[in-house]
Amino acid sequence: EDQVTQSPEALRLQEGESSSLNCSYTVSGLRGLFWYRQDPGKGPEFLFTLYSAGEEKEKERLKATLTKKESFLHITAPKPEDSATYLCAVHDLTDSWGKLQFGAGTQVVVTP
Amino acid sequence: DVKVTQSSRYLVKRTGEKVFLECVQDMDHENMFWYRQDPGLGLRLIYFSYDVKMKEKGDIPEGYSVSREKKERFSLILESASTNQTSMYLCASDPSGQLLRSYNSPLHFGNGTRLTVT
Repeated sequence: EDQVTQSPEALRLQEGESSSLNCSYTVSGLRGLFWYRQDPGKGPEFLFTLYSAGEEKEKERLKATLTKKESFLHITAPKPEDSATYLCAVHDLTDSWGKLQFGAGTQVVVTP
Repeated sequence: DVKVTQSSRYLVKRTGEKVFLECVQDMDHENMFWYRQDPGLGLRLIYFSYDVKMKEKGDIPEGYSVSREKKERFSLILESASTNQTSMYLCASDPSGQLLRSYNSPLHFGNGTRLTVT
């Protein structure tokens, strides 16, 4: 059975203090790994898709990387507006409907 | 920009009531999804639809049904609400249709409906 585990559950950072979030996954075959950002009271907002080990994607202060068993979301010099819950999800190649399996998320709080 | 609109932000219902959650998307997307989100459990798929009048069960369909009479609208129905259905409900869409193996598009989410069943 597919599993997606995110760690830590919560992270408190000072503004400018870089850190990384982890998403480890178990799938039969990875079709794609997605990162989303969710602000309180809102739906998740798409950030990145990664398809194969070694791939990296960047957007402003965020950088996502992928290995065969996990993905990291690096937040460089975060600002308070980076505070959100970050979700990862995987699409298993063997699922004919392409359903996504989501992790429980990492709640990030960045203080000034 | 894709817009996925959920008709209610907050709902309070009593145990045993029939509850309708409505979702509309404006981008002619083929696929639509209903998830529930609970602390520590992440998003869990309830039902999805890949075409008008077509539906498939997700991981937790018990106690729910869905309706898709028009392409842009996907409704989630709680036939007899129970307290364990208190949750945040998220609707999503994507354009990939039935060719899911050849298309890997992200989901577009609505802002959710927080349902409380008392």
